[in-house]
Amino acid sequence: GDSVTQMEGPVTLSEEAFLTINCTYTATGYPSLFWYVQYPGEGLQLLLKATKADDKGSNKGFEATYRKETTSFHLEKGSVQVSDSAVYFCALSDRGGYGNNRLAFGKGNQVVVIP
Amino acid sequence: ETGVTQTPRHLVMGMTNKKSLKCEQHLGHNAMYWYKQSAKKPLELMFVYNFKEQTENNSVPSRFSPECPNSSHLFLHLHTLQPEDSALYLCASSQGENYEQYFGPGTRLTVT
Repeated sequence: GDSVTQMEGPVTLSEEAFLTINCTYTATGYPSLFWYVQYPGEGLQLLLKATKADDKGSNKGFEATYRKETTSFHLEKGSVQVSDSAVYFCALSDRGGYGNNRLAFGKGNQVVVIP
Repeated sequence: ETGVTQTPRHLVMGMTNKKSLKCEQHLGHNAMYWYKQSAKKPLELMFVYNFKEQTENNSVPSRFSPECPNSSHLFLHLHTLQPEDSALYLCASSQGENYEQYFGPGTRLTVT
């Protein structure tokens, strides 16, 4: 079935550093891809999305490009801030029928930004 | 209220108690979801409702009983839970054509 794989382990980096979180996917069709962010004590928030190959999603300085040839949707930010410390989830939608979109989530990556 | 709301935000219950979690979405969506998020496992989809009808039960134990009286409200009734059921329970909703799901803040459940 459809699945998402995120790189293992937490990510710790200094303020203003460049952030990359890898995400690869397996899908039989043409999924939509998402990045969600979860701040401490909160639910998941949609960060950005891309619905077809070569689309670039962007929000709050974060970007990710839907790469069909490498089945990837890596998240990047050029200069992180302490406030970006959170857990980041990559997800895909299997488009399981009208009005009902089931998301397959990756395991998430804890990002810790040190001042 | 906007978005997806969940009550209570925190709940402590004994193994013999009965309690309910409530979720309400103010987005006009037609699908609603319950997820379990624990420290040891990735996000787990529990139940899916579409136009008030349950379309998925992801092998969830019967001590968790969902209820969806209308497209805006979703409940999770809890009884005789186990300590390993302690987790963050997240509710989400979606509209068919947009694909993204919108999440509530979650209920942090502790079973003692």
